[in-house]
Amino acid sequence: EDKVVQSPLSLVVHEGDTVTLNCSYEVTNFRSLLWYKQEKKAPTFLFMLTSSGIEKKSGRLSSILDKKELFSILNITATQTGDSAIYLCAVDLYNTDKLIFGTGTRLQVFP
Amino acid sequence: EPEVTQTPSHQVTQMGQEVILRCVPISNHLYFYWYRQILGQKVEFLVSFYNNEISEKSEIFDDQFSVERPDGSNFTLKIRSTKLEDSAMYFCASSDLVAQYGYTFGSGTRLTVV
Repeated sequence: EDKVVQSPLSLVVHEGDTVTLNCSYEVTNFRSLLWYKQEKKAPTFLFMLTSSGIEKKSGRLSSILDKKELFSILNITATQTGDSAIYLCAVDLYNTDKLIFGTGTRLQVFP
Repeated sequence: EPEVTQTPSHQVTQMGQEVILRCVPISNHLYFYWYRQILGQKVEFLVSFYNNEISEKSEIFDDQFSVERPDGSNFTLKIRSTKLEDSAMYFCASSDLVAQYGYTFGSGTRLTVV
């Protein structure tokens, strides 16, 4: 059965800290891995990763994929209270339309 | 920035009633999806829709569910006879042909069945 596991489930940090969120997967026919940020409602797209070892960066957020070890990390540097959200990892497969989501990591950033 | 719009944002319905959840996907997207998230659980795939027909559906998407694209812009999810366990956040999403920019999700409809 295809599976996506995120860790930690929850993280509490202070503003300015750097955090690393993990996503591991066991799937067949891997196509890409996606990271989303979910605040109040809609998951908003952060990154799509298809190739190993190529870092994607957007401001203080960055992410990288390791297709050999089957995981990805999402880094957030100099965290701000606005980074507080649930971060979702999802895997897109060939031969199916569905995304397979992890349970998410709840990040809380306190001033 | 283009977005996926969902209405209503919150719907409360009695068990056994029919509900229709509405979505307006991004205009040049070709693939449309419904996902749901039961409180405290993972986001789960329900159904995908392409070229005016269901492309794929999950085991959750039983005969109580149906989808339709009644005109060029709306995409609807109908639940014929709601059950308590249908209470969840329902997300609509759309993507272009190769999902090169990921899948764009709407802000969701929170369905509460009482």
